[in-house]
Amino acid sequence: SQQGEEDPQALSIQEGENATMNCSYKTSINNLQWYRQNSGRGLVHLILIRSNEREKHSGRLRVTLDTSKKSSSLLITASRAADTASYFCATEYSNSGYALNFGKGTSLLVTP
Amino acid sequence: SAVISQKPSRDICQRGTSLTIQCQVDSQVTMMFWYRQQPGQSLTLIATANQGSEATYESGFVIDKFPISRPNLTFSTLTVSNMSPEDSSIYLCSAEWVQREYRNEQFFGPGTRLTVL
Repeated sequence: SQQGEEDPQALSIQEGENATMNCSYKTSINNLQWYRQNSGRGLVHLILIRSNEREKHSGRLRVTLDTSKKSSSLLITASRAADTASYFCATEYSNSGYALNFGKGTSLLVTP
Repeated sequence: SAVISQKPSRDICQRGTSLTIQCQVDSQVTMMFWYRQQPGQSLTLIATANQGSEATYESGFVIDKFPISRPNLTFSTLTVSNMSPEDSSIYLCSAEWVQREYRNEQFFGPGTRLTVL
């Protein structure tokens, strides 16, 4: 079963606005990763945040992790139409080594 | 980041036939995995491809239906056998380098979009 749950399921914003997506998970993790998927294509790795980290930045992306609440958030600042995609959080399976358990994803639409 | 390629990128197959998907990584990796993404859904792990030994399958997936090979550290195949329309999905391989600077980061191939008629 899926460990991660993204919220909201769908988000529609205008260019220039910020987009925030949340991810909650159920069990202890070593790390949490965020991915982007455009129109059913391959996944693009965005950021990995480890359990001992609280915040990480990459360009216009900011990820936070709160292990006490078992939640993470992905913030995209100054969004662009090209950011339109589905965003997934993923945590490591406990029984399958390094395999990932994906949430259902947030579908982001950025309109000009 | 790593370069992972998959072949074919898409295919349309007839019910009852089999399709083998290839995954090639540009450098030796520690871990390789196969995932399935059904239409409008998230990714589900099919199996861990083990180099030189049988793959480790997740609940709901069996070797007879999804045989996997991994003959070396850069290549793996997934076969979807005796296909039915329910097998129509995107199949993605991924790789992880445990001992490199991308430790624990898992990279994905572009996926194979399979349609079964």
